Amino acid sequence: SAVISQKPSRDICQRGTSLTIQCQVDSQVTMMFWYRQQPGQSLTLIATANQGSEATYESGFVIDKFPISRPNLTFSTLTVSNMSPEDSSIYLCSVGGEGAFFGQGTRLTVV
Amino acid sequence: SQQGEEDPQALSIQEGENATMNCSYKTSINNLQWYRQNSGRGLVHLILIRSNEREKHSGRLRVTLDTSKKSSSLLITASRAADTASYFCATDPNSNSGYALNFGKGTSLLVTP
Repeated sequence: SAVISQKPSRDICQRGTSLTIQCQVDSQVTMMFWYRQQPGQSLTLIATANQGSEATYESGFVIDKFPISRPNLTFSTLTVSNMSPEDSSIYLCSVGGEGAFFGQGTRLTVV
Repeated sequence: SQQGEEDPQALSIQEGENATMNCSYKTSINNLQWYRQNSGRGLVHLILIRSNEREKHSGRLRVTLDTSKKSSSLLITASRAADTASYFCATDPNSNSGYALNFGKGTSLLVTP
């Protein structure tokens, strides 16, 4: 099992600004995953973050908009850059295992 | 990418009744998992069924998997108000369960006292 601490839990941001979301895992993991959940929707994978290499982004997501850091095996950050109201979503990090473990999510509202 | 489709999208039942949710997927899988999400918070893993399994139980949960039809069902028996949540199926297409998951659209379950 894994316990993931994600912060902030929520934020309201002005358009054009950036927000960095942090995820701390209580054990070392090779891969961490970042998902976006738009209002009323399911989860969509943004990128996979491996320690020591650049993140792998899914179609429709680019590094300039969602830069990811993975400085060690227990920590990752996702930045939502130059935000617009369309970025208002819940952002979740997760790690795999026998079933994935998720952080509590960051509810982002862009005004 | 999303490949799971759940139905119904929303389900409202009374306490004590059973709730059944269905999930269909498109590509071959290594396993299929069900998750629960309360009020837009983090997801909680409920149960995993492998591609070579047909049925699995965990407490009040029963999951079936039909790989020939590419479908799965989640049954919650004797539902409680605390079961009110959104339920998602997710498929793991790879043998390494650390890989990313493909999530379905989810079923919103409301259990009324």
